[in-house]
Amino acid sequence: DVKVTQSSRYLVKRTGEKVFLECVQDMDHENMFWYRQDPGLGLRLIYFSYDVKMKEKGDIPEGYSVSREKKERFSLILESASTNQTSMYLCASSFPGQGSPPTNEKLFFGSGTQLSVL
Amino acid sequence: LAKTTQPISMDSYEGQEVNITCSHNNIATNDYITWYQQFPSQGPRFIIQGYKTKVTNEVASLFIPADRKSSTLSLPRVSLSDTAVYYCLVGALYNYGQNFVFGPGTRLSVLP
Repeated sequence: DVKVTQSSRYLVKRTGEKVFLECVQDMDHENMFWYRQDPGLGLRLIYFSYDVKMKEKGDIPEGYSVSREKKERFSLILESASTNQTSMYLCASSFPGQGSPPTNEKLFFGSGTQLSVL
Repeated sequence: LAKTTQPISMDSYEGQEVNITCSHNNIATNDYITWYQQFPSQGPRFIIQGYKTKVTNEVASLFIPADRKSSTLSLPRVSLSDTAVYYCLVGALYNYGQNFVFGPGTRLSVLP
């Protein structure tokens, strides 16, 4: 089974701190994603990466940056944490779809990091 | 961008069949329909995916009519452990996530 591991289950940080959320996948997937999940809003895409050192903005990139130096690792960085970034953060990875038209890639999610910014 | 609409919540009893319908009027020719399941304090988990007609696996069935403007996830004989949020997604993720949108989902509560 694919395993997507997020480094922390719970984090508590102070406003203004620089925060690193780490994600590692063990299936050699090209694509990796960072989502945040808030009650009533579903999952919203922050950033994704389709290759090492490549990144693309999702729907809500403001206040975040990412790093992908190795294929298996995708980091989300909160440059200066704010209270409105308190949320559940979910990392996912996927492999390309198959067939014609190609199927949707299947996303494999980690268990999430609940971040509280005080 | 294909927007989806599904009920916010549903209740069912153990042993019943549950059908959750998702509307996606703007589905594009190459779009697949994918359903995910999310338990509390976990990330979503892939359940089933289809393009047209019917798809069945060990967990669920997915019914897609000819016009593909809606789809129905069918869970046979649900148990308490099927209590979760179910997400319907439409879009081509191979376009790198920009049109792969998770909405609020359907919160299914299975009662004893």
